[in-house]
Amino acid sequence: DAGVTQSPTHLIKTRGQQVTLRCSPKSGHDTVSWYQQALGQGPQFIFQYYEEEERQRGNFPDRFSGHQFPNYSSELNVNALLLGDSALYLCASSLGLNRNQAQHFGDGTRLSIL
Amino acid sequence: RKEVEQDPGPFNVPEGATVAFNCTYSNSASQSFFWYRQDCRKEPKLLMSVYSSGNEDGRFTAQLNRASQYISLLIRDSKLSDSATYLCVNHLSGGYNKLIFGAGTRLAVHP
Repeated sequence: DAGVTQSPTHLIKTRGQQVTLRCSPKSGHDTVSWYQQALGQGPQFIFQYYEEEERQRGNFPDRFSGHQFPNYSSELNVNALLLGDSALYLCASSLGLNRNQAQHFGDGTRLSIL
Repeated sequence: RKEVEQDPGPFNVPEGATVAFNCTYSNSASQSFFWYRQDCRKEPKLLMSVYSSGNEDGRFTAQLNRASQYISLLIRDSKLSDSATYLCVNHLSGGYNKLIFGAGTRLAVHP
């Protein structure tokens, strides 16, 4: 039973570049959420995808966008990277929206902006 | 006021000690909560859920106080392997499934 998988594990970019992070949900899950975790902070909700649509969004600028594919996998895109975008990006999957389902996290992608 | 607030610690305790963390939340309509554990440079992992009056799992007990809007995590007989950051999480549902994390409380258990 495959858990949540994310790629790549580490990434180094420079300011102004664009990045795409990928996530495959746990088998049987259909909902993907993305979180940003800065050093010393708890994860912050970016957005959530269900049925290939963005259902909920946190307090992040439009530079952060995403996509969900028919197989439930998801991408997070960040444009015009800033130094402050350096963080661990976590993907979490769950089943459905209106249920008390715990979210399962992937190992994350550690993004460093130089 | 932050939606979920935790004492960042660190809590430095000897093996075998009992330690308790508190967490406060601001949304009085919140229904459910979780405690997640996060090891250094790893992903958060679900430790336990906290519903209604709380629950117990082995050495771990979580309590919910709705009147005061706080939840607690009690760890008995601490082990070296309990050293980690403990994240208090408010689960918002109803058309979405969103987690609001506290900044975490760091626990260091020493011999």
